[in-house]
Amino acid sequence: QLQLQESGPGLVKPSETLSLTCTVSGGSISGSTYYWGWVRQPPGKGLEWIGTIFYTGSTYYNPSLKSRVTLSVDTSKNQFSLKLDSVTAADTAIYYCARRGSSRAKFDYWGQGTLVTVSS
Amino acid sequence: QSALTQPASVCGSPGQSITISCTGTSSDVGGYNSVSWFQHHPGKAPKLIIYDVSNRPSGVSNRFSGSKSGNTASLSISGLQAEDETEYYCCSYTSSDTYVFGTGTKVTVL
Repeated sequence: QLQLQESGPGLVKPSETLSLTCTVSGGSISGSTYYWGWVRQPPGKGLEWIGTIFYTGSTYYNPSLKSRVTLSVDTSKNQFSLKLDSVTAADTAIYYCARRGSSRAKFDYWGQGTLVTVSS
Repeated sequence: QSALTQPASVCGSPGQSITISCTGTSSDVGGYNSVSWFQHHPGKAPKLIIYDVSNRPSGVSNRFSGSKSGNTASLSISGLQAEDETEYYCCSYTSSDTYVFGTGTKVTVL
């Protein structure tokens, strides 16, 4: 059974960089069919797609976050990562990593999510 | 890109059927059969319940069904049960090779 697990600091200071890693177990991140992505949910708000990456490194970003987001993949560790620069309180959210399956928009496996709070 | 529009809340009695709409544009919902629906209990991971407009993943109850007409996709839940009370989100692929979620709908079972 495929499992995804987010990890990283739960508290980040304003103007600094938020860094999270998603570790994939039970399957290879290098499969040619699947993409890997990040979704977040600020407190009291809805889900927001952040970006998606293919194992080759091809990336796709939410236009509203594109200038601050970088996704990367480490196939040797079966992990992919998120970096979000210059964070503000508005970036406080639960961050989820997910697998995009064989069809577009088919996010079929998710991590449990990790709360990241931006505060000094 | 703007979030897809969903009603903030929908309610129904046990056993009834409800429908949640998800309205976008010709650049997302209307342009592709790549609409998914997620059930999201707060504090837990979102669960995929519909993909490609109307397909159900293995293990998802057939009480959930999806459809699309023009720029609006819909999720129907039949035989409403107490366990269905939670949040639901639609998600669509877009012409910019990105994804956009809906605003979310809170389903209440009366």
